[in-house]
Formats: sequence, structure tokens, C-alpha cells
Amino acid sequence: GAVVSQHPSWVICKSGTSVKIECRSLDFQATTMFWYRQFPKQSLMLMATSNEGSKATYEQGVEKDKFLINHASLTLSTLTVTSAHPEDSSFYICSAARWNTIYFGEGSWLTVV
Amino acid sequence: RKEVEQDPGPFNVPEGATVAFNCTYSNSASQSFFWYRQDCRKEPKLLMSVYSSGNEDGRFTAQLNRASQYISLLIRDSKLSDSATYLCAVNSNTGNQFYFGTGTSLTVIP
Repeated sequence: GAVVSQHPSWVICKSGTSVKIECRSLDFQATTMFWYRQFPKQSLMLMATSNEGSKATYEQGVEKDKFLINHASLTLSTLTVTSAHPEDSSFYICSAARWNTIYFGEGSWLTVV
Repeated sequence: RKEVEQDPGPFNVPEGATVAFNCTYSNSASQSFFWYRQDCRKEPKLLMSVYSSGNEDGRFTAQLNRASQYISLLIRDSKLSDSATYLCAVNSNTGNQFYFGTGTSLTVIP
């Protein structure tokens, strides 16, 4: 069964609005979760590392004010894409480590129109 | 230098062929190694872990070469259903950071 769950799977939003994506670890606590973005036919790109109870660590070139990450509990991390634009349309995936192995959420397809 | 380097391919092979992918890593202190499979428009899923002694699961064999700092994945008797992108992953020596290769695209042709 799923180890990491992500919601929603698909979301369409209007340009300028904000979208929140949730990532949950199932049956285990994850002090660290990871957020990725993947454009069609391209590789996974690590956006940020989400740390429970503290600020996220963002990769170079990722705007922290645009991609807000909150990791308020040991089983939930959220990514909010603020003031979304069409170029933010992408596949967003979270992951968490369990027993030294990375497991991915199902991913969220974001389309900004 | 990237933490993990992987040939993006694409690899197009006939059904029944044997195909191998390699992935090199830069940190000699890396502890854990994995292969993931990603189907089109889906999330990556763990295919197998890579142990120092090698790891075999049916038609799939994963190996680690610490001296040369690379891991490999061998697929024997390729099936059409093996068509996917294969990503390697390396866990840092601190255990908190995972690095992924860019993925190798495999298409098995009838």
C-alpha cells in the first residue's frame, strides 16, 4: 500500500490564485519531507527540503516566497504555490524517507490557466 | 560536479534483449543506493535497493562498485512492460539527503 499520500492529484486554477498541495506520511513520522517539480519529459528537480518544526531549505533558484512550505506536524507537509502563473504548471511530487528509503507521493498535476 | 550522473538515453531495445544502465556518484562516503522506476505521468516507485553484495530480483540485477563509484541495473529478457524511465538514487553519508539521477528512458520495442 501507499507509504506517502499526496492530495490533490489534479488541480486547475486561475492565474494569480494560490494552490495548496498536501503530503502525508502514512503510518510513520517524517521529520523531513522533500518537494520536487517535474516538467514533461524532464527529470525530477528538487525544490526544497521540508523540516518539521522549522523553516524549509530551498534549492538555489527556487523562490521561497512563491513556494511556501509548511511542515507543522510529523505526518504532514504542505506546499502552497502563491500567485500561480501558467509557467508554474507542472507535476509536483513529495517524498519522505522511511527506513532509509525514499517513498514518493502520487504527485499533483497543477495546471494554471 | 553533480552528486549523481546518469545517461538520459533514450535506450530503444527489442523485446528479449538485455540492457544495462549505469549511474555514477561523486561522494565516496555515500551509504545507500537505489533504483526507481517512473512510468509516464506517474510518480517514481522503488524498484530495488542496491547492496554491496549485489541484488537480484527476477530479471533485474543491481550492482554496486564502490571503487569506481557507480551502480548498475541490468534487465534481462526485456518485456514491453519494462518501458519506463529508470532513476538511480544515492543517500548521502549523513542520511538526510537523497540525490537522484536525471533518469534513463527505456523503450522496449516489439
